[in-house]
Amino acid sequence: KNEVEQSPQNLTAQEGEFITINCSYSVGISALHWLQQHPGGGIVSLFMLSSGKKKHGRLIATINIQEKHSSLHITASHPRDSAVYICAVEGNTDKLIFGTGTRLQVFP
Amino acid sequence: EAGVAQSPRYKIIEKRQSVAFWCNPISGHATLYWYQQILGQGPKLLIQFQNNGVVDDSQLPKDRFSAERLKGVDSTLKIQPAKLEDSAVYLCASSWAGSSYEQYFGPGTRLTVT
Repeated sequence: KNEVEQSPQNLTAQEGEFITINCSYSVGISALHWLQQHPGGGIVSLFMLSSGKKKHGRLIATINIQEKHSSLHITASHPRDSAVYICAVEGNTDKLIFGTGTRLQVFP
Repeated sequence: EAGVAQSPRYKIIEKRQSVAFWCNPISGHATLYWYQQILGQGPKLLIQFQNNGVVDDSQLPKDRFSAERLKGVDSTLKIQPAKLEDSAVYLCASSWAGSSYEQYFGPGTRLTVT
C-alpha cells in the first residue's frame, strides 16, 4: 500500500463545476504539499500546509491531521485548470513522499 | 527571478548508452533535488544535495546512476549504461534550505531509452 493515496485517479468536469481531489496518507508528517503538473512536465507548488485551510484564488486546500487526510478544491473550474494534481507529504525523514496524482480534465 | 533550468528537454538513446542531464537551480538555493518520474507515477527522489554535499541518495541506483554538484550550484545527473526501464522524466528542483521550504521545479528532461 502506498504511503500517499489520492482519489480519484482521473476526473472530468464541465467548466464551472466545483471539484474536489482527496489525499490520504499513512505516515506522520510535518507538512503536506499540493502540486500542479501540466503536460510537458513542469511542476508548480500550489500549497504547503500543516494545519487548517489555505485559499489562493479559486483554489482551497484543507488538512485534517487527526484523520490524515487533505482535500484540494477548485471552485468555478476552467479548462486551463486541466492538469495533474499531486499530493506530497514531508515525513520524519525530511523527504517528500509523492502520491501518483489525479488527472483533471475540464471541458468547456 | 529566473526559474530552475534543465537541459536537454528531450533525449532519446539506445540501451547501454550513456546520458547526462544538467540542472541550474535558482540563485541562492542551497538544496537541490533530482527526481525520476515514470509515466503515470509520482516523482521519486533520486538524490538530495545540500550545497555540494549529499543529504540523501538512498534511492539512487548507484551501479548506473551518479550525480554531482561540485561547486554547490549546478548539478549533473548521469546514467551509464542506460536500461529500458530508465525511460522517464528527470526533474530537478531546488529550495532555500530543505523540504520545509517550497520546492521549485524545473521543466524536466524526458528520456526515452530504446
